[in-house]
Amino acid sequence: DTAVSQTPKYLVTQMGNDKSIKCEQNLGHDTMYWYKQDSKKFLKIMFSYNNKELIINETVPNRFSPKSPDKAHLNLHINSLELGDSAVYFCASSQDRGPQETQYFGPGTRLLVL
Amino acid sequence: ILNVEQSPQSLHVQEGDSTNFTCSFPSSNFYALHWYRWETAKSPEALFVMTLNGDEKKKGRISATLNTKEGYSYLYIKGSQPEDSATYLCAPNFNKFYFGSGTKLNVKP
Repeated sequence: DTAVSQTPKYLVTQMGNDKSIKCEQNLGHDTMYWYKQDSKKFLKIMFSYNNKELIINETVPNRFSPKSPDKAHLNLHINSLELGDSAVYFCASSQDRGPQETQYFGPGTRLLVL
Repeated sequence: ILNVEQSPQSLHVQEGDSTNFTCSFPSSNFYALHWYRWETAKSPEALFVMTLNGDEKKKGRISATLNTKEGYSYLYIKGSQPEDSATYLCAPNFNKFYFGSGTKLNVKP
């Protein structure tokens, strides 16, 4: 019954590896997001998709590539992982892309790059 | 870079105390402001969304106000309970969301 789910919850990997984090929402929402929680605990938006179309693409390294196979899924693939990529990554969804839309967050994925 | 500031960073109160904290943000190009409650080991959960200057929202013992002209919002908790312990995040929207770092509230029984 989880509304927004992410897998895996924890990911420990070596520098240079490629990894993916998956996100699924069962709320029937049109818009999905990826956030990175930085070292100062701020949630910073990375990407947003609306109906499988990329609408927000912040200044993140192009080693990060989102993929939305359908409206219910937004996956995050990271190539050539670096130490600085260690963080908690949150997926979220909202009914639509408007500024008043409430976002529903997943539980987060803790990524540790060694 | 857009600056969203929340103060205080952390707050310790006794059960039954009332408390309030602030979210400050640039007042131009503002669309909406969201408050979220984030308990440890859980996901952020929405509390309120406000758009108009002077908006006030209330949910039980928690209420919030919005001043878009001067760029701030207050969150109030009346008669704090231990279950109110969480981090409270504000997120103004300027065509995309900017989250503050939160106010961490600890309510002691």
